[in-house]
Amino acid sequence: EPEVTQTPSHQVTQMGQEVILRCVPISNHLYFYWYRQILGQKVEFLVSFYNNEISEKSEIFDDQFSVERPDGSNFTLKIRSTKLEDSAMYFCASRFTAAGEQYFGPGTRLTVT
Amino acid sequence: QQQVKQSPQSLIVQKGGISIINCAYENTAFDYFPWYQQFPGKGPALLIAIRPDVSEKKEGRFTISFNKSAKQFSLHIMDSQPGDSATYFCAAGSGNTGKLIFGQGTTLQVKP
Repeated sequence: EPEVTQTPSHQVTQMGQEVILRCVPISNHLYFYWYRQILGQKVEFLVSFYNNEISEKSEIFDDQFSVERPDGSNFTLKIRSTKLEDSAMYFCASRFTAAGEQYFGPGTRLTVT
Repeated sequence: QQQVKQSPQSLIVQKGGISIINCAYENTAFDYFPWYQQFPGKGPALLIAIRPDVSEKKEGRFTISFNKSAKQFSLHIMDSQPGDSATYFCAAGSGNTGKLIFGQGTTLQVKP
């Protein structure tokens, strides 16, 4: 069964450093998302991406964040200068249509020290 | 307006019992209501989803009940099993961008 994959599973970085989280969405999906989940809290929407551009972003997704689909398979989230409060699980998700089922990856645990 | 309120925060059920988790929303633009199951350290896994044109959807032991006028929906887990012990999130979305707004989550423990 096709699944969303994410790498790395755990990333430790120092405050102020840049990180890139990588995702491979399900191959025929067209809509891509990043969410985050701070430990013990709910899952929060960050950004949606379709047709090579951002379609919606949340207040959390400020100028420190960017997304890219560099090729036909990868979807990345970059945080330019990490802060302690960026420590969270980051989930990538994808769906085939805007109204279709949304499938999540296993997540990347980001720890900022 | 964008919030989804979920209750209870935690739930303990005996094996074989029925687990019921409730969610409420405000935004009438929402037209897609999925439930996700999450085990510790894992990503949310889609369990079952419903759209407002039906009032109930059943898949195996899992049933969603949807009340459009009350803007509420609930997940019923019949014959609950210890393997169902996990955190359950309701969510709501609309078709434009497909973003999901999640509830706060319910930690379910099914006792043997």
